[in-house]
Parts: sequence; structure tokens; C-alpha cells
Amino acid sequence: EVQLVESGGGLVQPGGSLRLSCAASGFSFSTYYMYWVRQAPGEGPEWLANINQDGSEKNYVDSVKGRFTISRDNARNALYLQMNSLRADDAAVYYCARDRAHCSGGTCSLALDYWGQGTLVTV
Amino acid sequence: AIQMTQSPSSLSASVGDRVTITCRASQGIGHDLGWYQQKPGKAPKLLIYAAFILQSGVPSRFSASGSGTDFTLTISSLQPEDFATYYCVQDYNYPLTFGGGTKVE
Repeated sequence: EVQLVESGGGLVQPGGSLRLSCAASGFSFSTYYMYWVRQAPGEGPEWLANINQDGSEKNYVDSVKGRFTISRDNARNALYLQMNSLRADDAAVYYCARDRAHCSGGTCSLALDYWGQGTLVTV
Repeated sequence: AIQMTQSPSSLSASVGDRVTITCRASQGIGHDLGWYQQKPGKAPKLLIYAAFILQSGVPSRFSASGSGTDFTLTISSLQPEDFATYYCVQDYNYPLTFGGGTKVE
């Protein structure tokens, strides 16, 4: 059974740091793109970052670029999000998600088929 | 960034109703669109990817269509478990962007 379990959330002061973890199991973690998505209270989801299978390609939304770092440890089946210089507007539930990536004709479509339960960050 | 505009933002419907939700992109995105369902306190759930492909295990009463800038999600006969909020998301380019959501009540 595929499982994604986030941890590391909590209460932090503005300007502080947190490191979120996402423990993956039940699938070949090293073969999937992975994502972080957050959702502020009462708001829609917001894509934050993604990372390719070997960690060599990373993408970020502008609002976290330079403050957040996505990384992965394929030996440990773990995804991470290092969050620095946290601001009040970073308060949200943070989810990790797996992209099953439907590929056809040389292009791939996003398909976040498994999500964790989320971890709450309060700033 | 590509803006995704969903309409309506909320709707009232009854069990058995046909429900249609629309999503409009601020520029053409081909078929690079997905639909997700979210219930309170839960993570989003993938329904549709690549604009019209039904995710495995999702009931066939869900369907979707569209390309370019205009997309629709249809629930052919609303079931009690379908009352939720629905989001579209484009993956045509970065940053990936979600619509504002449609709450089905």
C-alpha cells in the first residue's frame, strides 16, 4: 500500500526555520517526481516545489524561492522541505504528493495520485 | 503565472443532479489540466488528469473535457459522497497554479 506520511510541522516564530519530512512507503520512491503543496486555512491548494527522481532538478514557486529547499534521500525513501525565514503567510497545512506522471507522445501530464495527510505549520 | 478561474465558486445541488464546473485558463494550456476533489480536513484526491483521463478507481459518473483555455468537469448524477470542493490545476508551465475551487453543497 502506498503511503506518504509528513512530519515536522509545528509552531515557529517569524523568521524561524522548520524542516518537514515525508516518509514514503509501498512504492519505488526513487522512480517518481515528488511535490510539496500547501493550503492555508480557507484557501485553495498552492504548489510550492517539486523534485525529479534523482534530485538534480528542482522547481519552486517564486514566493518561496531562496527561502525553501526541497530535497530527497532515495536510500531512506524520504522527501524533505527545509523552510527558512518563515513568515506569517507561510502558515498552512503542508502536503507531500507523488506524481504518477502520465506520459504520451514525449510529454507528461501531472497526476498527483497519492498525498500525505498533511502537517500543520503555524507561524 | 497562468491564472485559473473556476466557476461557480459554489453551487447547491441535490442527489441525482447533473453538475458542471468550469475552469478557464488565462492562456492556452493544451490539455495540461487536472481536477481534484477535496473534503474538509483531507488531502485533495485526483479525479482527472490530462484534461479528460479518469484516474483509476474514480467512478465513471465523473467526466471532463476541454482544451486550450476552457475546461469542464461534469458529475452526471451527484451522489452523497460527492459533496466536496473541486479544484482544477494547470501543469502547462511553472508555477503550477490551482483554481479557486468550487464548493458543491
